[in-house]
Amino acid sequence: AQRVTQPEKLLSVFKGAPVELKCNYSYSGSPELFWYVQYSRQRLQLLLRHISRESIKGFTADLNKGETSFHLKKPFAQEEDSAMYYCALRRASGYSTLTFGKGTMLLVSP
Amino acid sequence: EAGVAQSPRYKIIEKRQSVAFWCNPISGHATLYWYQQILGQGPKLLIQFQNNGVVDDSQLPKDRFSAERLKGVDSTLKIQPAKLEDSAVYLCASSTRQVSYEQYFGPGTRLTVT
Repeated sequence: AQRVTQPEKLLSVFKGAPVELKCNYSYSGSPELFWYVQYSRQRLQLLLRHISRESIKGFTADLNKGETSFHLKKPFAQEEDSAMYYCALRRASGYSTLTFGKGTMLLVSP
Repeated sequence: EAGVAQSPRYKIIEKRQSVAFWCNPISGHATLYWYQQILGQGPKLLIQFQNNGVVDDSQLPKDRFSAERLKGVDSTLKIQPAKLEDSAVYLCASSTRQVSYEQYFGPGTRLTVT
């Protein structure tokens, strides 16, 4: 069975501070990892995926298979980053569903 | 392009009553998903359709939940009879194909069972 753990329910930082949202996963095969984000009064949307290895809105995430982690990082947080962030996993081969973590609320204060 | 549409946005019912939710995916999206999101949890997949066929319904409580996508476009999710623990946000999502890295979510329907 696959499982995604986000240990923090709430992460509160000041504007300009570095941010790291933690995500650990449990899966014996080869996974695909994603971060989805939900801003206030908006829909859940894809932020980034590990395969693309890109930076979106200043956020990056690296898949560490040894530590089974996919932490989301940003060097300087902005107030508009305040949102609910969900880490999600999917098997890399064949069709398969997304398994989401419970989410972390990021609150960036001025 | 228009996003995923869902209705109603809010619904309050008493336990043992029935309720139905409707979803219209993005035009051309063959794959449609229904998720249940209980307060404080991440979305949990209930059922996945590819066109009008069911791909995965392993987490759907089939004794009370049912879903259909008859013409391969819009879909309905029904709960009959509802229980208190069914209180949740029901999210519909769609994607262009079965193996797609990006799912597009609707606004959700918030169900309260009293």
